[in-house]
Amino acid sequence: EAQVTQNPRYLITVTGKKLTVTCSQNMNHEYMSWYRQDPGLGLRQIYYSMNVEVTDKGDVPEGYKVSRKEKRNFPLILESPSPNQTSLYFCASRRFTDSVPMNTEAFFGQGTRLTVV
Amino acid sequence: AQTVTQSQPEMSVQEAETVTLSCTYDTSESDYYLFWYKQPPSRQMILVIRQEAYKQQNATENRFSVNFQKAAKSFSLKISDSQLGDAAMYFCAYRTYTGNQFYFGTGTSLTVIP
Repeated sequence: EAQVTQNPRYLITVTGKKLTVTCSQNMNHEYMSWYRQDPGLGLRQIYYSMNVEVTDKGDVPEGYKVSRKEKRNFPLILESPSPNQTSLYFCASRRFTDSVPMNTEAFFGQGTRLTVV
Repeated sequence: AQTVTQSQPEMSVQEAETVTLSCTYDTSESDYYLFWYKQPPSRQMILVIRQEAYKQQNATENRFSVNFQKAAKSFSLKISDSQLGDAAMYFCAYRTYTGNQFYFGTGTSLTVIP
């Protein structure tokens, strides 16, 4: 089954304790991205990656890091989490090549509810 | 940066009736993609319908259709014969032609009344 898998689904942590949210896709997609969802703000893009070792900032990258060492994985790293990073996080992936139509569908993970106290 | 505006935080519709959700966006580009996503309580993001800006014909997917007005930068979603399972948060989204970035609206919470 084609899917994007995020772990964990729920996480409560304390301020300053480094954490990683993993994201893995089994569709051989080139493009992967992270979003945070906050009430009244919708989803905002944090980082995206066009392919292995290629990452770029989205609209709200402060306080986050990402890496893309393998095509299937795109972890989101919070080096020193703060309460304002309490949010619902989504990872997404889609195909992205010159030979693929640009209107390819993005597949989203199930979301990770992060609470920083 | 592009902006996407959904001016209706909440909407309700009677079962079997029709409802229209509004979305406007701001861009200087001529080619782009527009989407409506549904997010039920399970939190899963589900693609409802998409529209390529270069296509004049409005997209349709079963009971879901859009009214795409490119000059007005408007992209509304019409749900016909509303069902209880349509109750969810709906997000309008804009994607750049190059596909690098996605911009989402703030969402419209739809309630379906039996």
